[in-house]
Amino acid sequence: QSDLSQPASVSASPGQSITISCTGSSNDVGIFNLVSWYQQHSGKAPRLIIYTVSKRPSGVSSRFSGAKSGNTASLTISGLQADDEADYYCASYSAAGSTYVFGTGTTVTV
Amino acid sequence: QVQLQESGPGLVKPSQTLSLTCSVSGASITSGDYYWFWIRQPPGKGLEWIGYLYYQNGDTYYSPSLRSRLTISTDTSTNAFSLTLTSVTASDTAFYFCACSPTHFGTPGATWGPGTLVAVSS
Repeated sequence: QSDLSQPASVSASPGQSITISCTGSSNDVGIFNLVSWYQQHSGKAPRLIIYTVSKRPSGVSSRFSGAKSGNTASLTISGLQADDEADYYCASYSAAGSTYVFGTGTTVTV
Repeated sequence: QVQLQESGPGLVKPSQTLSLTCSVSGASITSGDYYWFWIRQPPGKGLEWIGYLYYQNGDTYYSPSLRSRLTISTDTSTNAFSLTLTSVTASDTAFYFCACSPTHFGTPGATWGPGTLVAVSS
């Protein structure tokens, strides 16, 4: 069971859009629509921002959107704001014994 | 609204057992509507999924890398669930988070506790 692969860092200017990829395999991302995304500010607990590939929990800005194609999921943040500067992690359900696996994490700099 | 709070010792000696409790408010641990999770994060590193349980059928699911040392259980009298990790080493030093998710969310944590740092050191 390997971690999902994410780029280590992404940076952009305020107002721009970025997309973070999350690459798994046919044992996790590829066969389940159970990909979620988390935002983690320094020193804080992670916060769920996307679940089941593209749904947003109540209270999460519509600037966050998720998608999936094959074994790769993606998170897009549009209209970047200073507060979006954080670490972002994807996660997926895995066929390996009803388990979950996290991505390696991406640091977003605004 | 569900709230979670981790508690336990901040320091454990190598080879000993790490025990943490997650106190739950706003929902019953016996509810079939939620899965109850543990996740950890070594300082400065990424998230690692530890395991979870579903009270409705009593099933527990563990990370393959921790399965031989790990137990997750519930305490219905205190509406809490716990993590027990035996034979700890320095590599078990991490922030430990408890979390829960509605069963239809399919995610290892919709609501999280603030986390607690556990250091393994003599």
